[in-house]
Amino acid sequence: GQQLNQSPQSMFIQEGEDVSMNCTSSSIFNTWLWYKQDPGEGPVLLIALYKAGELTSNGRLTAQFGITRKDSFLNISASIPSDVGIYFCAGQDSGTYKYIFGTGTRLKVLA
Amino acid sequence: EPEVTQTPSHQVTQMGQEVILRCVPISNHLYFYWYRQILGQKVEFLVSFYNNEISEKSEIFDDQFSVERPDGSNFTLKIRSTKLEDSAMYFCASSEGAEKLFFGSGTQLSVL
Repeated sequence: GQQLNQSPQSMFIQEGEDVSMNCTSSSIFNTWLWYKQDPGEGPVLLIALYKAGELTSNGRLTAQFGITRKDSFLNISASIPSDVGIYFCAGQDSGTYKYIFGTGTRLKVLA
Repeated sequence: EPEVTQTPSHQVTQMGQEVILRCVPISNHLYFYWYRQILGQKVEFLVSFYNNEISEKSEIFDDQFSVERPDGSNFTLKIRSTKLEDSAMYFCASSEGAEKLFFGSGTQLSVL
């Protein structure tokens, strides 16, 4: 089946540093979503990407939809302690309503 | 801001018992989903529902599972005879146009 692999699996950074994480697939997707999940909570939507090559920002977050439609990355600038959590990508291909979730990147920010 | 509401937040049940997990999707949304997340793992798709019928389901969603939209506002997931391996966090999600999915806070199901 379709799989989305995220890297890195986890990362520890200092407060104020920039963060970059990515998501790759062997399949083409038409839409990418990026979510953040806090412990015991549901995923919260951060950014939605609909077009190959699209670069979208939401505050300190920037995400890009890869040209090949098989990857996406998420950048967080000037990290703060509340950025701690697990970040998931999710991809949707054409002709389907479902989203497949990636393996997640666990982010820890050291103050 | 509108949100997806799930009840209960925690459910403990004995193996073999039936459970019903409830969700109230965002009111103008038309697409509904159930996902589950086993502790420490990724979020897994179970089923999508549109126009009062299942549109897709995963291999996890076997005959023990069913979904219903009984009254135009609630969306339920029923597990007929729970197994130990059904223990997980179950998330409901809804979408206006099958693009952006908005998730509830989940129901933690523990099967003993």
